[in-house]
Amino acid sequence: DMKVTQMPRYLIKRMGENVLLECGQDMSHETMYWYRQDPGLGLQLIYISYDVDSNSEGDIPKGYRVSRKKREHFSLILDSAKTNQTSVYFCASSLYRGGGNNQAPLFGEGTRLSVL
Amino acid sequence: GDSVTQTEGLVTLTEGLPVMLNCTYQSTYSPFLFWYVQHLNEAPKLLLKSFTDNKRPEHQGFHATLHKSSSSFHLQKSSAQLSDSALYYCAPTGANTGKLTFGHGTILRVHP
Repeated sequence: DMKVTQMPRYLIKRMGENVLLECGQDMSHETMYWYRQDPGLGLQLIYISYDVDSNSEGDIPKGYRVSRKKREHFSLILDSAKTNQTSVYFCASSLYRGGGNNQAPLFGEGTRLSVL
Repeated sequence: GDSVTQTEGLVTLTEGLPVMLNCTYQSTYSPFLFWYVQHLNEAPKLLLKSFTDNKRPEHQGFHATLHKSSSSFHLQKSSAQLSDSALYYCAPTGANTGKLTFGHGTILRVHP
């Protein structure tokens, strides 16, 4: 069953703490994404990864970094979290990069992060 | 860069009435486009994707036609159902980047 798995699903952290969000997929998809979703702002792309150690900034990368050491895992790291990083974070994956009729990314269930 | 404009905010409909959610995009090339649907506290899920030919994709009663001349990919359904209440996103793909650009989304609320 094709699935993108995110851990944890819910997380509460204090301002200044480090945060690690993890994402996995078992479909050997090349491309993986991290988005955040805020009311009224839609889904905003933080980072995109085209394969192991091949990552590219999205539209809002400031305050975040990513790591992809295995094709099936893509991590989002917040060093010294800020209250304005409270959000719902979605990971997604797709088979290849680029436009194509079979390229629609598959999303995970999301991680709800609260930074107090 | 690529961008997308959707029907703003909230669309409220009575069950049984037709649905039309607008989507126009700005791109320097002809991208593929997707419609995603997100129900409350769930992940976004693919609803429809555009084709390069004149085929009109359909799913769950929804359909959308890509009009390159007007850069539009409007989502339509002939008769709204209560279960259609959700957040809808239109998203074009970036040229060779795979970057999917989402708009702010449109909330559809269908009432009895």
